[in-house]
Amino acid sequence: EVQLVESGGGLVQPGGSLRLSCAASGFTFSSHWMHWVRQVPGSRPVWVSRVNKEGTISNYTDSVKGRFTVSRDNARNTVYLQMNSLRVEDTGIYYCARDGGEPSLDYWGQGTLVIVSS
Amino acid sequence: DIVVTQSPDSLAVSLGERATITCKSSQSLLYSTNNKNYLAWYQQKPGQPPKLLIYWASTRESGVPDRLSGSGSGTDFTLTISSLQAEDVAVYYCQQYYRIPHTFGRGTKLEIK
Repeated sequence: EVQLVESGGGLVQPGGSLRLSCAASGFTFSSHWMHWVRQVPGSRPVWVSRVNKEGTISNYTDSVKGRFTVSRDNARNTVYLQMNSLRVEDTGIYYCARDGGEPSLDYWGQGTLVIVSS
Repeated sequence: DIVVTQSPDSLAVSLGERATITCKSSQSLLYSTNNKNYLAWYQQKPGQPPKLLIYWASTRESGVPDRLSGSGSGTDFTLTISSLQAEDVAVYYCQQYYRIPHTFGRGTKLEIK
């Protein structure tokens, strides 16, 4: 059974940092691109970032470029999102999701909540 | 960024009746090299992450009931539920994955009339 479990969220002040983790199991992790998506409850999901199978290519939405870094450790079956210089507008539930190869997102974790507030 | 516009914002349909949600993209999502439309549909229920229903605009994900179907090409797409069931109550989102960033529509809340 495919499972994605996010962790690392919490309350942080503007300008602070957090590192999110997403532990994957139940599939060959190194065969899939992985994505991060943010959602404020009651609003649409916002695609944030993705990383390729090898961890050598990454893409970001403009609002997080230069502040967020996505990476992965295929030996640990884990994808990370390092978030620096956090802003209030970064608040939301952060989901990691598996790229099914189509490349729609065929499995999602339950998410981890990030609140940026003073 | 590619803008995807969903309509309606909310929809109330009687059990057993048809529900139709539309998604319009600001540019074509049809990739000429493979003749595929880079559009997906997701269903989200309260307290849960989105669930993939349809990809390539019309390919049903494994396990998705065949009363749900996707159609369209280029810039205009439709998600149809042919006979609404109680378990279909949810918010539905379309998403384009033609170009980074992979943008989502603002969602359609589907309820029972």
